[in-house]
Amino acid sequence: AQKVTQAQTEISVVEKEDVTLDCVYETRDTTYYLFWYKQPPSGELVFLIRRNSFDEQNEISGRYSWNFQKSTSSFNFTITASQVVDSAVYFCALSEAGDYKLSFGAGTTVTVRA
Amino acid sequence: SQTIHQWPATLVQPVGSPLSLECTVEGTSNPNLYWYRQAAGRGLQLLFYSVGIGQISSEVPQNLSASRPQDRQFILSSKKLLLSDSGFYLCAWSEGSGSGGETQYFGPGTRLLVL
Repeated sequence: AQKVTQAQTEISVVEKEDVTLDCVYETRDTTYYLFWYKQPPSGELVFLIRRNSFDEQNEISGRYSWNFQKSTSSFNFTITASQVVDSAVYFCALSEAGDYKLSFGAGTTVTVRA
Repeated sequence: SQTIHQWPATLVQPVGSPLSLECTVEGTSNPNLYWYRQAAGRGLQLLFYSVGIGQISSEVPQNLSASRPQDRQFILSSKKLLLSDSGFYLCAWSEGSGSGGETQYFGPGTRLLVL
């Protein structure tokens, strides 16, 4: 069985603060894929990143960075120097090899105040 | 580049009426296609997926059905809507490599309100 837990329901920060979103997953497979998506108020899900279970290197893309730790089954997402445009719901998701299904966490609502 | 379209963007329907939501993908061939529902602004649930024309897999038994009449067209239907069918319906596509775990790209969604 797959499970993704995003324990933080809502996070509110002031512009330029850093914000870290937690994601903890459960899977029995050794090959799996982890994702982060952003859902702005318009509703469309925007793909941010995909990592496979064999690549534990942290990744940075502009103000976004991801910390993947298999030892703790976590795939956390940090927004550095947050901006108002970062306000959205962020979803973590898991897919196992050979499975077409994406299992989503409940999402974390991030509000960045000017 | 690939694009995915959904229509209508918003729909208000009475209970018991039929439903047809359409999704089309451009710029790719033989994609995997998916229908998700998001209720109460949270929690995406996979409803159906398709790996080819006429091939539909259902994840959750419900009042809905899906069809794929053409390679890049995916339709979500209902014969009689229920109040509980209200929600935000998202279509997605991924490369059809067949191995699973591919990135899914989502359309703009359809907001359905059943009254």
